[in-house]
Amino acid sequence: AQSVTQPDIHITVSEGASLELRCNYSYGATPYLFWYVQSPGQGLQLLLKYFSGDTLVQGIKGFEAEFKRSQSSFNLRKPSVHWSDAAEYFCAVGALSGGYNKLIFGAGTRLAVHP
Amino acid sequence: NAGVTQTPKFQVLKTGQSMTLQCAQDMNHNSMYWYRQDPGMGLRLIYYSASEGTTDKGEVPNGYNVSRLNKREFSLRLESAAPSQTSVYFCASTGRGTTEAFFGQGTRLTVV
Repeated sequence: AQSVTQPDIHITVSEGASLELRCNYSYGATPYLFWYVQSPGQGLQLLLKYFSGDTLVQGIKGFEAEFKRSQSSFNLRKPSVHWSDAAEYFCAVGALSGGYNKLIFGAGTRLAVHP
Repeated sequence: NAGVTQTPKFQVLKTGQSMTLQCAQDMNHNSMYWYRQDPGMGLRLIYYSASEGTTDKGEVPNGYNVSRLNKREFSLRLESAAPSQTSVYFCASTGRGTTEAFFGQGTRLTVV
């Protein structure tokens, strides 16, 4: 069965420090992978996505993620965190099935940023 | 371009009351979804509509019904609200042949 695991429930970093949020997935074929961000009281905004090709993908707000098939991982990274990056981050795996998109989400990682 | 619009944004219900959450998208997307978000559990799929005229159960459908009114609108109904349905509800949509989902701003529902 398809699943997504985000091992870290909460992460705290200092402003300016680097960030890596972990995501592991279980899927039988090549997955479509996504990272979404949710600011407090807001909906989900797409940060980046991986469909195929280059395994290092760039997203908005200076984020990037690397797909590693051998490790079934799609970790999110940012070289220097800003206070405005404090939010909840969700990894998701998707599959086209009968013309619609089935998205499975991880439980999320809440990021706190210290000044 | 509004994207996905949900109403209401907040709602408090008494146990046993009914209500309908409304969702509309203006992106001409074929597929629409209802998720609920609970702390520590991410988003779980309640129901989805792959295309106009079809609806199917997701992961947690019990206690809910849906209607795909037309291509734009997909509503979620709670017939007899229970405290366990206290949650944040998100509507989303995807275009044909794509996997990128666009989300509404959410409805925060409290059942007392």
